[in-house]
Amino acid sequence: EDQVTQSPEALRLQEGESSSLNCSYTVSGLRGLFWYRQDPGKGPEFLFTLYSAGEEKEKERLKATLTKKESFLHITAPKPEDSATYLCAVQAGAGGTSYGKLTFGQGTILTVHP
Amino acid sequence: KAGVTQTPRYLIKTRGQQVTLSCSPISGHRSVSWYQQTPGQGLQFLFEYFSETQRNKGNFPGRFSGRQFSNSRSEMNVSTLELGDSALYLCASSSEVYEQFFGPGTRLTVL
Repeated sequence: EDQVTQSPEALRLQEGESSSLNCSYTVSGLRGLFWYRQDPGKGPEFLFTLYSAGEEKEKERLKATLTKKESFLHITAPKPEDSATYLCAVQAGAGGTSYGKLTFGQGTILTVHP
Repeated sequence: KAGVTQTPRYLIKTRGQQVTLSCSPISGHRSVSWYQQTPGQGLQFLFEYFSETQRNKGNFPGRFSGRQFSNSRSEMNVSTLELGDSALYLCASSSEVYEQFFGPGTRLTVL
């Protein structure tokens, strides 16, 4: 069974204090690993897709990296508006049971204080 | 391009009733997936539809069902509601690539 574990559960940072969020996964044939941001009461907002180990993607203050067992979301010089829950999800490549199915971690609640 | 829309945004029902939620995907997207989000269980996959066919289903009881229309719009139905069905129900659409784009969700409260 596919599993995704995110750590830490919650992270408090001061504005400008860089840090990383971790996503460990086990999946039968990774088709893709996804990062989303979710604000309270809203649907998840797509951030990145990573397909293979060694791949990196960047967007503003965020950078996502992927190894064979985990992914990191690095946040550089965060601002208060980066406060949100960050979700990691995987899609397996194992045929019919993977269609349209993302397996999510529990998320990391990030709070950035001014 | 308009995003994924879901209606209604909020619903209050009582135990034993049934409910239908609607999802309109991004134009051109043919795959629609549904998820249930609760504080305890997080985001859990319900089912996925592509070209009016259910291709995949999660581990939920038969009270949860769905369908997709020829214009790719999708509905999900929950019959005989239970208190534990209170959740945020999210739909997501995707094209031939794997990224799923989520709607704002429908907040269902069962009393």
